[in-house]
Amino acid sequence: DSGVTQTPKHLITATGQRVTLRCSPRSGDLSVYWYQQSLDQGLQFLIHYYNGEERAKGNILERFSAQQFPDLHSELNLSSLELGDSALYFCASSDGQRNSPLHFGNGTRLTVT
Amino acid sequence: GENVEQHPSTLSVQEGDSAVIKCTYSDSASNYFPWYKQELGKGPQLIIDIRSNVGEKKDQRIAVTLNKTAKHFSLHITETQPEDSAVYFCAASLGYSTLTFGKGTMLLVSP
Repeated sequence: DSGVTQTPKHLITATGQRVTLRCSPRSGDLSVYWYQQSLDQGLQFLIHYYNGEERAKGNILERFSAQQFPDLHSELNLSSLELGDSALYFCASSDGQRNSPLHFGNGTRLTVT
Repeated sequence: GENVEQHPSTLSVQEGDSAVIKCTYSDSASNYFPWYKQELGKGPQLIIDIRSNVGEKKDQRIAVTLNKTAKHFSLHITETQPEDSAVYFCAASLGYSTLTFGKGTMLLVSP
């Protein structure tokens, strides 16, 4: 068990809808990362937050947004969903120090129908 | 940005054999190279990592080697067991920056 909690585990929704994925980092970790995993693209970095502030953005669509709250949990919001957004979404956390390992949750599987 | 290539995409071995997975990276400034194992239905789990000031690191049956001149690093698993079957990912980063992952290697260990 990595200590990173993601909810829900599965999410099925229709095109055009909006969903929110939630992540609770390991106790003491200040950094939260979101990754998208699809069969053809592997693990793609979306966004990184450190202690409530956005630190880096990857290939995150404008329809997607995220935030990290004062209690350090994070939410990833996906809107105007398309079939191609179906994927596994992983959250990872670290203590934010240089070259600190990332610890991943077990992901949320999103299916857009 | 950083680009990480990983080979092979699939690898089948017999129990007890060794398995080697290789990765190359593009940014010579990258200095942190972790390896993750992902089992079905779970998130990637860190199994070993190496930093650029070290050429080799070993942890029981797992070892990682790094060649900074050639910009490649490899994962070596000895005495493979069926429970080693999983998808393995290499990654690279520049210290505080985010991890860039390879596309993964599906390892199948047959009894």
